[in-house]
Amino acid sequence: EVQLVQSGPEVKKPGESLKISCKGSGYRFSIYWIGWVRQMPGKGLEWMGIIYPADSDTRYSPSFQGQVTISADKSISTAYLQWSSLKASDTAMYYCARLATNVGYFDYWGQGTLATVSS
Amino acid sequence: SYELTQPPSVSVSPGQTARITCSGDALPNQRAYWYQQKPGQAPVLVIYKDRERPSGIPERFSGSSSGTTVTLTISGVQAEDEADYYCQSADSSATYYVFGTGTKVTVL
Repeated sequence: EVQLVQSGPEVKKPGESLKISCKGSGYRFSIYWIGWVRQMPGKGLEWMGIIYPADSDTRYSPSFQGQVTISADKSISTAYLQWSSLKASDTAMYYCARLATNVGYFDYWGQGTLATVSS
Repeated sequence: SYELTQPPSVSVSPGQTARITCSGDALPNQRAYWYQQKPGQAPVLVIYKDRERPSGIPERFSGSSSGTTVTLTISGVQAEDEADYYCQSADSSATYYVFGTGTKVTVL
């Protein structure tokens, strides 16, 4: 069974760093793109970027380029989303999801990680 | 950056048909996908490649495409279909993907 299990909720202060994770199981992790999706409170879905764990090829949405870093460690089947300096506007639910082979949609999703940034 | 536009809301009575549009300049050349999201849950794919239905998705969900607009149709709407719906597609060069602005479907 394909599963994506994300790390738990986080509460941080503005200016702090954060790295959240997404661990895949039940499939060959390295050969499927993994993506991250933001959902701010009461708002819609936003496509942030994707990574191919086999070679760490990464694609970002222009809206998120330079704002976050997506990485992966294929040896432990885990993808990451990180910030070097958080802002209050980074408060959101973050989902990881697997990109289905050779197509553009996400077929499996993680449970979401709620990140709250507040002073 | 690229945008996909959806109506904010659609209201429909049980048993009637709901149609949700999604407009974007690159849609004539890029596939579209549709997700359903219920409160507190992760999204679920309901249509892929404009009109294909994943296994387990009821036949009342269908998709179509015409020019710069794709449409998700829910025929014979049921109370359980009340949710937010998002289209998704790629920019013209398939460099990155975007989600539509989202449509809240209310079953009256």
